Amino acid sequence: SQQGEEDPQALSIQEGENATMNCSYKTSINNLQWYRQNSGRGLVHLILIRSNEREKHSGRLRVTLDTSKKSSSLLITASRAADTASYFCATSDRGSTLGRLYFGRGTQLTVWP
Amino acid sequence: SAVISQKPSRDICQRGTSLTIQCQVDSQVTMMFWYRQQPGQSLTLIATANQGSEATYESGFVIDKFPISRPNLTFSTLTVSNMSPEDSSIYLCSVGGTNEKLFFGSGTQLSVL
Repeated sequence: SQQGEEDPQALSIQEGENATMNCSYKTSINNLQWYRQNSGRGLVHLILIRSNEREKHSGRLRVTLDTSKKSSSLLITASRAADTASYFCATSDRGSTLGRLYFGRGTQLTVWP
Repeated sequence: SAVISQKPSRDICQRGTSLTIQCQVDSQVTMMFWYRQQPGQSLTLIATANQGSEATYESGFVIDKFPISRPNLTFSTLTVSNMSPEDSSIYLCSVGGTNEKLFFGSGTQLSVL
């Protein structure tokens, strides 16, 4: 399967520090997306990066994509306690049906006040 | 963006029984997607529900176990039939938005005793 894999599985930092999460995948993609999940509830879309893009920013979020290494990273700068959540990468295969995303197991981020 | 109402938010059920999960969207959408998230795991697509046609199931999921209805463009149900403890998961409905991202409902946390 095309399932992404996040690293680390868990990350614990202090407020104000930066948090970096990595994602690796296996085959060719249309795009890679990052989602956030609070306390096992619904997921919220954070950012999407296309296969022909290398870096993207949205507020305190910075995403990079290296298609040669089949990897992506999500950087959250100046983290806050409210950033505590699980973060998932998800990939869309080339030629895949819209809505069929392959999710990794997630990184559980804890930000201490 | 789309607002998705999903219910119930959680339930505890006895093995052998069935549970129907409802998903209501605030706008008309062609496709709705049902995902499962097993404890500590990633999300896996169960099926895609198109209005006016049979749902399309992913490998490992069958209609007898997870029957889906899609009576109109704003509503869908997923039934988890003849439940066993292995069905204990979070079930999420989602719809596609612009630029290939997904919007998710708040999820149904199912525990089977």
